[in-house]
Amino acid sequence: ETGVTQSPTHLIKTRGQQVTLRCSSQSGHNTVSWYQQALGQGPQFIFQYYREEENGRGNFPPRFSGLQFPNYSSELNVNALELDDSALYLCASSFKGGGKNEQFFGPGTRLTVL
Amino acid sequence: AQSVSQHNHHVILSEAASLELGCNYSYGGTVNLFWYVQYPGQHLQLLLKYFSGDPLVKGIKGFEAEFIKSKFSFNLRKPSVQWSDTAEYFCAVGTYNQGGKLIFGQGTELSVKP
Repeated sequence: ETGVTQSPTHLIKTRGQQVTLRCSSQSGHNTVSWYQQALGQGPQFIFQYYREEENGRGNFPPRFSGLQFPNYSSELNVNALELDDSALYLCASSFKGGGKNEQFFGPGTRLTVL
Repeated sequence: AQSVSQHNHHVILSEAASLELGCNYSYGGTVNLFWYVQYPGQHLQLLLKYFSGDPLVKGIKGFEAEFIKSKFSFNLRKPSVQWSDTAEYFCAVGTYNQGGKLIFGQGTELSVKP
């Protein structure tokens, strides 16, 4: 069983740039969620994708957007980067059904905005 | 808004000491409850989960947690910690009406002295 993978591992960008982060979900899963984890904080929910559509969104501005592909992999795009966007971005995959939202996390992408 | 509160930011214990980490949540409906652990340099891993049934759940590595509905609590326990338990621990709550969203506490850093 292949776990959740994310790329790249680390990324350095400057303010105003755009970034794309990628995630491959665990085998058998059909749902991908993205979280932002700032230093010393718990993960904060950004949004979730199911059947290639956004299925819930946290308190993040529209410059945070995403995609889910037919193979259930996903991308997180952030436009007009700000210094506060520096964080660990986590992808989690799950199987939607039965009301149980057990999620399996990838290793994350560490984004630094200078 | 739903929230999760972890009482201790940093806990320091000696090996063989008992551990209890507090977690309280604010939500009146049906919840799924989780404890995740993040070892240094590693990704978030699921320790244990509660969906329904017996409120005392057992997880990996000798950890257990008790769901007390009347107190909105889901405290994590381990009778005897080891140096290898040094990690950050996160409590998370999922609610049926929020789809797959998980709400995390701010985390508790556990340091175990050999």
